[in-house]
Amino acid sequence: KNQVEQSPQSLIILEGKNCTLQCNYTVSPFSNLRWYKQDTGRGPVSLTIMTFSENTKSNGRYTATLDADTKQSSLHITASQLSDSASYICVVSAPLRDKIIFGKGTRLHILP
Amino acid sequence: DVKVTQSSRYLVKRTGEKVFLECVQDMDHENMFWYRQDPGLGLRLIYFSYDVKMKEKGDIPEGYSVSREKKERFSLILESASTNQTSMYLCASRRIRGLRSNIQYFGAGTRLSVL
Repeated sequence: KNQVEQSPQSLIILEGKNCTLQCNYTVSPFSNLRWYKQDTGRGPVSLTIMTFSENTKSNGRYTATLDADTKQSSLHITASQLSDSASYICVVSAPLRDKIIFGKGTRLHILP
Repeated sequence: DVKVTQSSRYLVKRTGEKVFLECVQDMDHENMFWYRQDPGLGLRLIYFSYDVKMKEKGDIPEGYSVSREKKERFSLILESASTNQTSMYLCASRRIRGLRSNIQYFGAGTRLSVL
């Protein structure tokens, strides 16, 4: 069973709309949780990084939240733009053996 | 800005060929990683290196080997390429302490096709 589950698998929204991507994890204990954006044909780029003591972190129109009690994180995108079309990957790090666990990503399509 | 450079964006090789994928980072990062990314499977760790001349097997090391003779360079080697190694290969590096540690920086990827 994958220890980091993302939903939905894919999402299509109109330009200008908001959306929220979900990440549930079972990794415990964990060091930090990161969201990456991966444009088609490119490598992932870090958007946010949060430790277990942080509840929210913003990066421009991207806001990540973390509930360490329920082991859930979300990435909220405000006023979406065409350039937001990409895959968004949730990554959890565990201190045990310095393990890094990747979710399978959510593919987001922004339509004009 | 951190730069992780992979030597090729696209590569086409024949079954049985020896393949070298090169990765160079310019920020003196200790850790380096090789992943492959396949549709529906996400990123899977092939090998990683804590520091120069050190290497550890990841989750799917079979059919691959690595070399880290210098801190900035981490090479992935396919001794005898097979069609099931057709994939997108991603290299990453990471600082282990200090500002922005624990963030992995990725290269642009190498899309390898084995015919």
